[in-house]
Amino acid sequence: RKEVEQDPGPFNVPEGATVAFNCTYSNSASQSFFWYRQDCRKEPKLLMSVYSSGNEDGRFTAQLNRASQYISLLIRDSKLSDSATYLCAVNVETGANNLFFGTGTRLTVIP
Amino acid sequence: DAMVIQNPRYQVTQFGKPVTLSCSQTLNHNVMYWYQQKSSQAPKLLFHYYDKDFNNEADTPDNFQSRRPNTSFCFLDIRSPGLGDAAMYLCATSRGWGSGETQYFGPGTRLLVL
Repeated sequence: RKEVEQDPGPFNVPEGATVAFNCTYSNSASQSFFWYRQDCRKEPKLLMSVYSSGNEDGRFTAQLNRASQYISLLIRDSKLSDSATYLCAVNVETGANNLFFGTGTRLTVIP
Repeated sequence: DAMVIQNPRYQVTQFGKPVTLSCSQTLNHNVMYWYQQKSSQAPKLLFHYYDKDFNNEADTPDNFQSRRPNTSFCFLDIRSPGLGDAAMYLCATSRGWGSGETQYFGPGTRLLVL
């Protein structure tokens, strides 16, 4: 079983739509959670960390559900520039920084 | 302002011919990582350095080695590249090794094996 699983998509949404991605993780002892954005043939860039209480950064909202072992990313008012692959990453070790990444969810925002 | 730099951005090598990828950082971070990402797959951690302490992931092939001569530089050596080693190789850094420390990625080196 993979440590981290994501729906690969693709998600094709019109501009202005709200879209949500989920990411499930298998290790209940996982410590830290992140969403990264990766553009085609580029490196992953940190979008946001995911805190237990949930957090929001402009149009982006991240949530953590420990009971069901998933994290979510909500994008409101989608822009064309949001088109990218969104990777979730999970740190499963206490006191260590080994990140396990999902394969990513591909988002395309359509004019 | 580049913070994690990888050279070259594209590398072509021949089957079985050793190749070295390089990474440098201007962040003065203690930890440096090497990831392998194949097409449409998740980045997979190969190893990391905390200062000079080298840590190999259990399933990293012996064909992959790494060197960190100083804080700023880290190298990935592939001793005998196979066709299956064609991938994007990502270098990352973090200030510390604690869980929750943000990892900053370089632009990657795309390796092609002929």
